[in-house]
Amino acid sequence: DAKTTQPPSMDCAEGRAANLPCNHSTISGNEYVYWYRQIHSQGPQYIIHGLKNNETNEMASLIITEDRKSSTLILPHATLRDTAVYYCIVRPSTSGTYKYIFGTGTRLKVLA
Amino acid sequence: DSGVTQTPKHLITATGQRVTLRCSPRSGDLSVYWYQQSLDQGLQFLIQYYNGEERAKGNILERFSAQQFPDLHSELNLSSLELGDSALYFCASSLGGLAGRGDEQFFGPGTRLTVL
Repeated sequence: DAKTTQPPSMDCAEGRAANLPCNHSTISGNEYVYWYRQIHSQGPQYIIHGLKNNETNEMASLIITEDRKSSTLILPHATLRDTAVYYCIVRPSTSGTYKYIFGTGTRLKVLA
Repeated sequence: DSGVTQTPKHLITATGQRVTLRCSPRSGDLSVYWYQQSLDQGLQFLIQYYNGEERAKGNILERFSAQQFPDLHSELNLSSLELGDSALYFCASSLGGLAGRGDEQFFGPGTRLTVL
């Protein structure tokens, strides 16, 4: 299973873009990158996912490098409500198994 | 609101006891996942069911078991409880399709289990 590496914590000023990096150097060709976040002790919330192309939705943008060994989640205009732990996950593609392996994530603190 | 419901919200019990946690997935979702989150362990995948059948197993103890019923709701049974089982237990659901196509998981609010 591909593993991910994320910085343990980051700060971002309110209104600025938050760029959260993730390293997944052992990712396989057919494995997707998913991002979730967890605000305090609430259930994790899906943000975005992608395979090799950059993706954007109403919450964020996902930039995946050409070699797919790393990606960056971008929150374009961070607000205080974006303070959360952000998890980057590679979804294993083993036939019949759909395990999500959550690492320790990045604790993002948005500062007023 | 993710559409996933979990009951109860809080549960306090004693060591050696048995409890059942319940999860109702989003309407139309066929897959249910269970996770445990304790302070020192992070979010740990326990088990996944798809349309009533076990599909994937993670770090689930033998004292724990789960099942998914014909109406797609799921129950997680924890027995011979120990102090270390105190944690947040999350249920998530997804359509259950292939990776990248409707497999994003939607999490419930969790059940906080305290074992005294």
